[in-house]
Amino acid sequence: GAVVSQHPSWVICKSGTSVKIECRSLDFQATTMFWYRQFPKQSLMLMATSNEGSKATYEQGVEKDKFLINHASLTLSTLTVTSAHPEDSSFYICSARAYTGSGELFFGEGSRLTVL
Amino acid sequence: SQQGEEDPQALSIQEGENATMNCSYKTSINNLQWYRQNSGRGLVHLILIRSNEREKHSGRLRVTLDTSKKSSSLLITASRAADTASYFCATGFNKFYFGSGTKLNVKP
Repeated sequence: GAVVSQHPSWVICKSGTSVKIECRSLDFQATTMFWYRQFPKQSLMLMATSNEGSKATYEQGVEKDKFLINHASLTLSTLTVTSAHPEDSSFYICSARAYTGSGELFFGEGSRLTVL
Repeated sequence: SQQGEEDPQALSIQEGENATMNCSYKTSINNLQWYRQNSGRGLVHLILIRSNEREKHSGRLRVTLDTSKKSSSLLITASRAADTASYFCATGFNKFYFGSGTKLNVKP
């Protein structure tokens, strides 16, 4: 099956720093990538939808200046958490939808961010 | 959740029993997907059912869809301890929202 690689799998940073998370589709071209956030024992909350070459579309309540998303190529999207604070600590998961196919989503393994 | 609710929130069964999870959603869909998540990991796609389908099978999985009631069910037959995980449904057109999930525990 299609593989989505997400890096780093975990990161610890100091409050006020910025953290970048990468999401790569390894063996297919992803026209659309999605970024989700998951709190412990809760469901996935869609943060934003990114299409290659265009600006990301953010869900209501998600600060676009806080969570910068770039989708520069058909295989790479990045999420940058700017000026991170402890409340940004969470599990961030990306998913990608293939350019062709049934529309199923392929997920990365997630990135656990801890802001001290 | 952003899209809908699943029930039960948690389900504990013995190995060999069947597990049924339900998902309700709010908006119109063109397909509904079920995913599985092991603790602290990414999600794995299980099965996709299109809005014009009523039932679909894949191995030990059986999914039904009732668009008039905006609901779907996932049945796992002859459950195994390795089926222990959280199960989510996802719906949407150009973006996908997840239900609240069912945490399944299969006791050996």
